[in-house]
Amino acid sequence: GNSVTQMEGPVTLSEEAFLTINCTYTATGYPSLFWYVQYPGEGLQLLLKATKADDKGSNKGFEATYRKETTSFHLEKGSVQVSDSAVYFCALTGIQGAQKLVFGQGTRLTINP
Amino acid sequence: EADIYQTPRYLVIGTGKKITLECSQTMGHDKMYWYQQDPGMELHLIHYSYGVNSTEKGDLSSESTVSRIRTEHFPLTLESARPSHTSQYLCASSRQADEKLFFGSGTQLSVL
Repeated sequence: GNSVTQMEGPVTLSEEAFLTINCTYTATGYPSLFWYVQYPGEGLQLLLKATKADDKGSNKGFEATYRKETTSFHLEKGSVQVSDSAVYFCALTGIQGAQKLVFGQGTRLTINP
Repeated sequence: EADIYQTPRYLVIGTGKKITLECSQTMGHDKMYWYQQDPGMELHLIHYSYGVNSTEKGDLSSESTVSRIRTEHFPLTLESARPSHTSQYLCASSRQADEKLFFGSGTQLSVL
């Protein structure tokens, strides 16, 4: 079935550093890809998404490009802030259709001032 | 933005007790989900529903049960709680044709 592999965490960076969190996937067909973020003490929120190859999702300075040739959807941000500290989840639509997401294991990100 | 609510936020109970975790959404979404989140943060789908009177088991086997009598309400019940049920439980919903999931803030359950 469809699956997602995320970069192992935790990741610790200094403020204004460049961020990359790797995500690769295995899928049949043409899934949609997502990044969700979970801030401390909260539920998950959709950060960005891409629905077809070469699409770039972006939000709050974060970007990710749907790369079919490398089956990847890496999350990047040029200059992180302390407020970006959270757990980030890569996800894709499952075999049974769009409404049943498959999540990666999550990557905890800590940004130090 | 999210109008999906979970109660209680925290629950500490003894072994053998029956509990119900509440989840309600005011967005009129047809699809609702329960995820169990382990301490390592990984999410496991344990139940989902595509509408009223529809419930399905998820990818991770769970001793809990769910019901969907009203569109807005998707409670999860454990008939006899055990320490192995200690976890964070997250409820989510989405529109029928929309892939975006809206999550509640979760219930942290501790069974002693």
